[in-house]
Amino acid sequence: QQQVKQSPQSLIVQKGGIPIINCAYENTAFDYFPWYQQFPGKGPALLIAIRPDVSEKKEGRFTISFNKSAKQFSLHIMDSQPGDSATYFCAASNSNDYKLSFGAGTTVTVRA
Amino acid sequence: DAGVTQSPTHLIKTRGQQVTLRCSPKSGHDTVSWYQQALGQGPQFIFQYYEEEERQRGNFPDRFSGHQYPNYSSELNVNALLLGDSALYLCASSLAGFGVPSYTFGSGTRLTVV
Repeated sequence: QQQVKQSPQSLIVQKGGIPIINCAYENTAFDYFPWYQQFPGKGPALLIAIRPDVSEKKEGRFTISFNKSAKQFSLHIMDSQPGDSATYFCAASNSNDYKLSFGAGTTVTVRA
Repeated sequence: DAGVTQSPTHLIKTRGQQVTLRCSPKSGHDTVSWYQQALGQGPQFIFQYYEEEERQRGNFPDRFSGHQYPNYSSELNVNALLLGDSALYLCASSLAGFGVPSYTFGSGTRLTVV
């Protein structure tokens, strides 16, 4: 079964808008939560990641919010640009494991 | 600095055939993981190779097998292909000791089974 649930499946925003993607997990052993960006014909590329000891992390225009008690985390893309149009995946892992569990992905379209 | 290289980029196979996909890890990486990404879905873990041994396996049948060579490159073999095996196959290399946070993905091999 899918260990990380991601929503929405797709979203469209205008340039400058703030797309928000949400993920939820059940496995409390997860302690590493990355977000990947994937363009058509390419593999996923690490965008930003967070550990459960912090509630928010910012890197450039990308922000992760993390709610440990709710077992939820989200990605915000500030001042979105057409070049941000891509598929975004949340994922989770734990330190004793060697694999990532991915969400189903969100296709973001930023209109100029 | 060369990243992860996968070959071929695309291939078409007939149901029942066998296929071999190849991966060269990023320079300095010693671990290779394979993922299957069906259309419109997130990648699913197949298995990971380290020190030429399969270290962990996901929920895939034994039609899926692999190998890692002393130079850390890896192969994914799929026997008795089914239509449902059509997917993008991704290789991720990493460095043992740093684990998942050091993952670097290749661009994948698009397999179509007809």
